[in-house]
Amino acid sequence: AQKVTQAQTEISVVEKEDVTLDCVYETRDTTYYLFWYKQPPSGELVFLIRRNSFDEQNEISGRYSWNFQKSTSSFNFTITASQVVDSAVYFCALSERGGGSYIPTFGRGTSLIVHP
Amino acid sequence: DSGVTQTPKHLITATGQRVTLRCSPRSGDLSVYWYQQSLDQGLQFLIQYYNGEERAKGNILERFSAQQFPDLHSELNLSSLELGDSALYFCASSPEAGGYQETQYFGPGTRLLVL
Repeated sequence: AQKVTQAQTEISVVEKEDVTLDCVYETRDTTYYLFWYKQPPSGELVFLIRRNSFDEQNEISGRYSWNFQKSTSSFNFTITASQVVDSAVYFCALSERGGGSYIPTFGRGTSLIVHP
Repeated sequence: DSGVTQTPKHLITATGQRVTLRCSPRSGDLSVYWYQQSLDQGLQFLIQYYNGEERAKGNILERFSAQQFPDLHSELNLSSLELGDSALYFCASSPEAGGYQETQYFGPGTRLLVL
């Protein structure tokens, strides 16, 4: 079973629509970190956010917001009023304290296409 | 700009050849990680170095090797290249040994095409 599941392979929206990217993770650890990265068409991976397992407070940064729910093991990412520049592949990742390796596990990514 | 640099940006070579990818971490970061991203395998962790020493090993082929130098830059050597090695190779860095709480900052990647 995958530790990080991003079930949406591709999402297509029209500019100004709100869009939510889902991330479901699996861990037996009580201490862990979750991350989101953005990979625009140019290819580089850009760090967006890090959240630890003890902080369930939702976070908002401009048009971006993140909803962390331990009860459902989800860390979803919402873009409000999407723009063409938001078109990218978005990756969710999990890093577990007791995982034996501190290397994060990445999901397969969700490709977001925002049409003008 | 993450502060992590990678050269070259693009590389085209032939099967059986050997190439070297280079990475310079962010200023002050001690750990360097190498990843391979291909369409069918997603983002795969290859290897990590911390302050010159190998720290963690992932799905790295025996044909691949890496090292981290005293100035903390790192090189990933790929030899006896096969068509299937065509991929985007990322380097990432983090401040310390790579604890679970650390954020990795990625470079722009090297796109390798093996013909």
